[in-house]
Amino acid sequence: EAGVTQFPSHSVIEKGQTVTLRCDPISGHDNLYWYRRVMGKEIKFLLHFVKESKQDESGMPNNRFLAERTGGTYSTLKVQPAELEDSGVYFCASSRSGQLGQPQHFGDGTRLSIL
Amino acid sequence: GENVGLHLPTLSVQEGDNSIINCAYSNSASDYFIWYKQESGKGPQFIIDIRSNMDKRQGQRVTVLLNKTVKHLSLQIAATQPGDSAVYFCAEKSGAQKLVFGQGTRLTINP
Repeated sequence: EAGVTQFPSHSVIEKGQTVTLRCDPISGHDNLYWYRRVMGKEIKFLLHFVKESKQDESGMPNNRFLAERTGGTYSTLKVQPAELEDSGVYFCASSRSGQLGQPQHFGDGTRLSIL
Repeated sequence: GENVGLHLPTLSVQEGDNSIINCAYSNSASDYFIWYKQESGKGPQFIIDIRSNMDKRQGQRVTVLLNKTVKHLSLQIAATQPGDSAVYFCAEKSGAQKLVFGQGTRLTINP
């Protein structure tokens, strides 16, 4: 089974520009999560989808971040406009269900650099 | 790699020895715990998990121990190999689906 895939693997943009990250979860996984690690910090939760619905977006830092999962398959995370402090690695994860014992499987992340 | 600049706790062991990586978690209500391994340039890779109603779980060459009294989790790796070199993270979950990650421990295997 193919794992979680993220695109692009790297993105370098200037402050004020827009960037869209994409995540394709493992096939059949209804739960999709976004996390990020900014320099010097732990991996932090951003939000959680169940199918196409946002279940928990308590970790989204501000309204410059917009996540979508139209159709309940792949998801996008758009940052507009990007700021310097948005630099970091953005991870996507998926799980089959939200029940205990269902681990979240991670993609390799998108490394985002804001200049 | 992405972990450059992070001042992670480190553990160095000789190849073939056993490793024990420790993690203190914060939320006494957490009911599910996972250990992840992250190699440079890769995402966190699931190793083993444990529910709060257990105190020990074994996998292939790995064992996770949970002590709820002191909110402590450990990962034991038997007969470490060069491929075990990575950063290891513990993560906890309580009620909500989001994972809360620890800062990670860098494991280095010496030949």
